[in-house]
Amino acid sequence: DAGVTQSPTHLIKTRGQQVTLRCSPKSGHDTVSWYQQALGQGPQFIFQYYEEEERQRGNFPDRFSGHQFPNYSSELNVNALLLGDSALYLCASSLVLSNTGELFFGEGSRLTVL
Amino acid sequence: GIQVEQSPPDLILQEGANSTLRCNFSDSVNNLQWFHQNPWGQLINLFYIPSGTKQNGRLSATTVATERYSLLYISSSQTTDSGVYFCAVEANTGTASKLTFGTGTRLQVTL
Repeated sequence: DAGVTQSPTHLIKTRGQQVTLRCSPKSGHDTVSWYQQALGQGPQFIFQYYEEEERQRGNFPDRFSGHQFPNYSSELNVNALLLGDSALYLCASSLVLSNTGELFFGEGSRLTVL
Repeated sequence: GIQVEQSPPDLILQEGANSTLRCNFSDSVNNLQWFHQNPWGQLINLFYIPSGTKQNGRLSATTVATERYSLLYISSSQTTDSGVYFCAVEANTGTASKLTFGTGTRLQVTL
């Protein structure tokens, strides 16, 4: 049973560039959520996708956007990168019809902005 | 929004010792999970426990929902238990979860 997979695992960008991160959910899951974790902090919710639509959004600017594909995989896009966007980006998947709403996380994509 | 506080922020134990980590939250929840973040950054599910008590090997957790706190117990700690432990909660009812995380407890287990 494949867990949540993310790519790339590490990447380095410069200010002003754009980045795309990818996530495949755990087998059988239909909902993908993205979190940003700055160094020394707990993860912060960015947004959540279900049925290819953004369903919930945290307190992040429009530079952060996403997409969900028919196979439930998802992308996170960040435009006009700032130094403060350097963080670990975590993808989590869940099943809408689950009795629990339990989330499962991938290993993350570590983004460094220079 | 809901507030989540974890204590202690840092904990150093000798191998074999027991510990209790605490999570307080400011509102009623329908989802509470404990995670262990390993050195590579992955969040590993320990417990889904919005209420009641669960045990898994040397780890156990108790959530008292009416008093808005949860406890994670680690017995006979091992060096592999080192890392950051997060409590995360969801306050909204509805479909898939949006978790609010605490700031974590950083545990170091020494020989």
